[in-house]
Amino acid sequence: DADVTQTPRNRITKTGKRIMLECSQTKGHDRMYWYRQDPGLGLRLIYYSFDVKDINKGEISDGYSVSRQAQAKFSLSLESAIPNQTALYFCATSDRRGYPSYEQYFGPGTRLTVT
Amino acid sequence: AQSVTQLDSQVPVFEEAPVELRCNYSSSVSVYLFWYVQYPNQGLQLLLKYLSGSTLVKGINGFEAEFNKSQTSFHLRKPSVHISDTAEYFCAVSERGSQGNLIFGKGTKLSVKP
Repeated sequence: DADVTQTPRNRITKTGKRIMLECSQTKGHDRMYWYRQDPGLGLRLIYYSFDVKDINKGEISDGYSVSRQAQAKFSLSLESAIPNQTALYFCATSDRRGYPSYEQYFGPGTRLTVT
Repeated sequence: AQSVTQLDSQVPVFEEAPVELRCNYSSSVSVYLFWYVQYPNQGLQLLLKYLSGSTLVKGINGFEAEFNKSQTSFHLRKPSVHISDTAEYFCAVSERGSQGNLIFGKGTKLSVKP
């Protein structure tokens, strides 16, 4: 009953390659987020989108781009991967009707290794 | 700017012992507070949240947390832990009016030993 799915779950790629991570949700939420998790650093926000036409940079957007293809799909791209982008990447969703806390729901994560 | 500090990166504890995971935050405005849990090889799951009202919040799996405004703290507690509580725990904060954007602490790894 995975409401937020991420593909692939694991990916190994080489420096300089372009890679796309995909996130899909069946929760009917309008808001979607991409985070990266590094050991000892917690989660940091890369990009977020409040609807299909609204995309915003987060704390660490350099080196990343996103595309909101539909309300249910939000993709993260690394145009030219570098080793320090090796991390665990999470997609999350929330609902504008979730006022006031807008609780976020997380996918299972994509483990990306850049060699 | 808001920030979240989790004071312990690792907490080892024996099964059936009590545990407290500490979280302090800084913000110039009122906040909402959350604890998330990440079991091995899984995503994050909400344990509990504080929005307003009673400062003692109960969550899933027997966890509770207490909001202390004067201390700017939101510590997580469980009176008796199980092996299955072994996981990483994240404290997070969002400012009122921020549309729910979360700032996370660096996490605390709870290791429950038999």
